[in-house]
Amino acid sequence: GAGVSQSPSNKVTEKGKDVELRCDPISGHTALYWYRQRLGQGLEFLIYFQGNSAPDKSGLPSDRFSAERTGESVSTLTIQRTQQEDSAVYLCASSRPAGELFFGEGSRLTVL
Amino acid sequence: QQQVKQSPQSLIVQKGGISIINCAYENTAFDYFPWYQQFPGKGPALLIAIRPDVSEKKEGRFTISFNKSAKQFSLHIMDSQPGDSATYFCAASRGKGTYKYIFGTGTRLKVLA
Repeated sequence: GAGVSQSPSNKVTEKGKDVELRCDPISGHTALYWYRQRLGQGLEFLIYFQGNSAPDKSGLPSDRFSAERTGESVSTLTIQRTQQEDSAVYLCASSRPAGELFFGEGSRLTVL
Repeated sequence: QQQVKQSPQSLIVQKGGISIINCAYENTAFDYFPWYQQFPGKGPALLIAIRPDVSEKKEGRFTISFNKSAKQFSLHIMDSQPGDSATYFCAASRGKGTYKYIFGTGTRLKVLA
């Protein structure tokens, strides 16, 4: 596709359930980022993948959060045992090396 | 050291006026400073960016002013229009597209018609 694609666009889940959020980056983009945006807040860095290098996981808020990326393609962000404070928009972005960041439209997660 | 502080949190400007948003950083290793514009329900999109080897960059009605010694940079929107109403985020990174970006908390701009 032409842009960064994220799915689902909206997810409502019950507290304690696991959720998976998917990001399909722009073809050829080696770098992939996940950010969290709580309502009315800024973008909180979660994790960064760059090619085959070890990911920078320094922003993951707890061990309930994990992310994987296969090569330079799709990434999945998994949140286990969701809590109400996990409710947010999860934004994915990708870039070429030394290139501009392109964001997807985000996955809005609501934990009841 | 990783924070980027942004102000104001919200801004209301009359059509035709100048909108000014300020950011400050601490980490002197940062060398790439982009501004992003976000409309409701959309992801942020790059608006304009600057590197610390210049003090100002202008693209149309949008200007970044950069003060390396003060570790501050600002976005000026000249002749603000209602279509500029959006949330603006500053960011800082070590390099462009090669390291995580640290974002400010955002400024919600409303331009009155």
